[in-house]
Amino acid sequence: IAGITQAPTSQILAAGRRMTLRCTQDMRHNAMYWYRQDLGLGLRLIHYSNTAGTTGKGEVPDGYSVSRANTDDFPLTLASAVPSQTSVYFCASSPQGLAGQETQYFGPGTRLLVL
Amino acid sequence: AQSVTQLGSHVSVSEGALVLLRCNYSSSVPPYLFWYVQYPNQGLQLLLKYTSAATLVKGINGFEAEFKKSETSFHLTKPSAHMSDAAEYFCAVSGGSNYKLTFGKGTLLTVNP
Repeated sequence: IAGITQAPTSQILAAGRRMTLRCTQDMRHNAMYWYRQDLGLGLRLIHYSNTAGTTGKGEVPDGYSVSRANTDDFPLTLASAVPSQTSVYFCASSPQGLAGQETQYFGPGTRLLVL
Repeated sequence: AQSVTQLGSHVSVSEGALVLLRCNYSSSVPPYLFWYVQYPNQGLQLLLKYTSAATLVKGINGFEAEFKKSETSFHLTKPSAHMSDAAEYFCAVSGGSNYKLTFGKGTLLTVNP
């Protein structure tokens, strides 16, 4: 079982370019999440999805969009990248998403540098 | 509203010494509390979690944490550090039916030989 896969592993991107970070899980989890990790700030929630077809905004959603067409995939799009979006991006999932006690399972991350 | 404060962004211990990583939380509802570990260049994985059952929670790799409501704390301990424990540790809180995790800023643990 792979769990959560993310692609690409790393990317250097010119400012103003569009970029989609891919996330796929094979655990049939209902809920999925996108976080960004920045030094000294911990992890901050960008967007989430409770179930296929629904999405919601997290703590830092500006400049990002997501879609959830099916259970397995949860892509994150940067419409026009800016240097402040340089970060490590983690995708996560949890079985139901509606219970606060659920464990979230994390992917390996995508390291993005915007120049 | 909920928040987490991790005291000490960097903790250094000698191999075999006690590990103590501090976490204090704030939550308007009874909290669920988590410790996650991140090894270099990897994603996060769950060490342990408190979900209102036993206040002393045992996790993987010999770690444990105690929920103390009166102190709003959930400190992580391990009696004897091993070199392989070197990693960044994150405390996180969620509350009630709110599935959103709020993370602390992390504590980097280094273990000296």
